[in-house]
Amino acid sequence: SAVISQKPSRDICQRGTSLTIQCQVDSQVTMMFWYRQQPGQSLTLIATANQGSEATYESGFVIDKFPISRPNLTFSTLTVSNMSPEDSSIYLCSVVAPRGAKNIQYFGAGTRLSVL
Amino acid sequence: GDSVTQMEGPVTLSEEAFLTINCTYTATGYPSLFWYVQYPGEGLQLLLKATKADDKGSNKGFEATYRKETTSFHLEKGSVQVSDSAVYFCALGGGADGLTFGKGTHLIIQP
Repeated sequence: SAVISQKPSRDICQRGTSLTIQCQVDSQVTMMFWYRQQPGQSLTLIATANQGSEATYESGFVIDKFPISRPNLTFSTLTVSNMSPEDSSIYLCSVVAPRGAKNIQYFGAGTRLSVL
Repeated sequence: GDSVTQMEGPVTLSEEAFLTINCTYTATGYPSLFWYVQYPGEGLQLLLKATKADDKGSNKGFEATYRKETTSFHLEKGSVQVSDSAVYFCALGGGADGLTFGKGTHLIIQP
């Protein structure tokens, strides 16, 4: 398994500002994912962040709005830029298990973001 | 594209009742199927999984069988407890493509 720490756990931000969310994993992992869970909705994949390459964004998400860094095999950041109230969501970091079944994903506790 | 449909909640049951949460999917190929659980104030935890048709995943008294013919992966438990109160997510995929989730089902177990 993998232990994932996300910071901050929650934040309240003003419209037009940016917030960077950190994701730290207790072991080296190749694949990391960022998801968004809007109020009352399912989880939606934002992007896949593999170390050493540019993040791959899903339809409807762009790098200017959600820039991602992946400087090493245990860490990633997601920035929510120029925020609006529609960005109020829970943002979750996820990794594929470093050993064992390759298709199992583990999740952080999430960052609960409210934009005023 | 791939999609997952699960029953809307909240689902409210009495302790020791039988639980079924329905999940059906649409996908190309034969994806792996998962149930994740989110307890209040916590992150998602993998509950169980199945990787091919007719596989049965089980954990903590919960079971789900991968039914290719009905494209379903219904979650069942014979006798629920108050501690099972949580949000349950059905998902497919995994690996390099990430996961596609259903909307989640909020389960409330009353003593």
